[in-house]
Amino acid sequence: KQEVTQIPAALSVPEGENLVLNCSFTDSAIYNLQWFRQDPGKGLTSLLLIQSSQREQTSGRLNASLDKSSGRSTLYIAASQPGDSATYLCAVMILTGGGNKLTFGTGTQLKVEL
Amino acid sequence: DTGVSQNPRHKITKRGQNVTFRCDPISEHNRLYWYRQTLGQGPEFLTYFQNEAQLEKSRLLSDRFSAERPKGSFSTLEIQRTEQGDSAMYLCASSEPGQTYNEQFFGPGTRLTVL
Repeated sequence: KQEVTQIPAALSVPEGENLVLNCSFTDSAIYNLQWFRQDPGKGLTSLLLIQSSQREQTSGRLNASLDKSSGRSTLYIAASQPGDSATYLCAVMILTGGGNKLTFGTGTQLKVEL
Repeated sequence: DTGVSQNPRHKITKRGQNVTFRCDPISEHNRLYWYRQTLGQGPEFLTYFQNEAQLEKSRLLSDRFSAERPKGSFSTLEIQRTEQGDSAMYLCASSEPGQTYNEQFFGPGTRLTVL
């Protein structure tokens, strides 16, 4: 059974700091990995998707890396801003016979302070 | 806005009542997923449709839960005889396998509170 772990569970940083969020998964036979952002009481916004054959993806100040063999991914946020405050969720997809469900971690709650 | 809509956004009900939620996926997406998220946890998979066929159901989906996608477009999730433990955010997502590596796009969710 796939298990996804995110560390740390919560993080508070001053504005402008660069930071790294960690995600690990137990079954390396993944199809892709997605990083999501979730604001309180809201749905999920997809930030980056990394295919299993890729090593990293970048979007603006965000960079996600994937090391499938070791079961790890990191999300790097450069020059953090108060607007980055949210919960960040990592999810992995494994191809199954029926569907392609996502297995999520419990998230990292980020607070960027002025 | 991802293009996936869910209604209602909030639902408060008394224990024992039935509730129904609706999800409208992105129009060209043939796959539709339901997830449940409790406070402080990540979403957990409930069920999945390809067009109108329900192809996979989680063990989390007890016999009080039923989901349909009658015409392969919108989907409904019904919970009968609600319990306090059903209080959660119910999230819907859609995808199109031939596009964007089966990336799933999520709706805003329906928050259910069972009193």
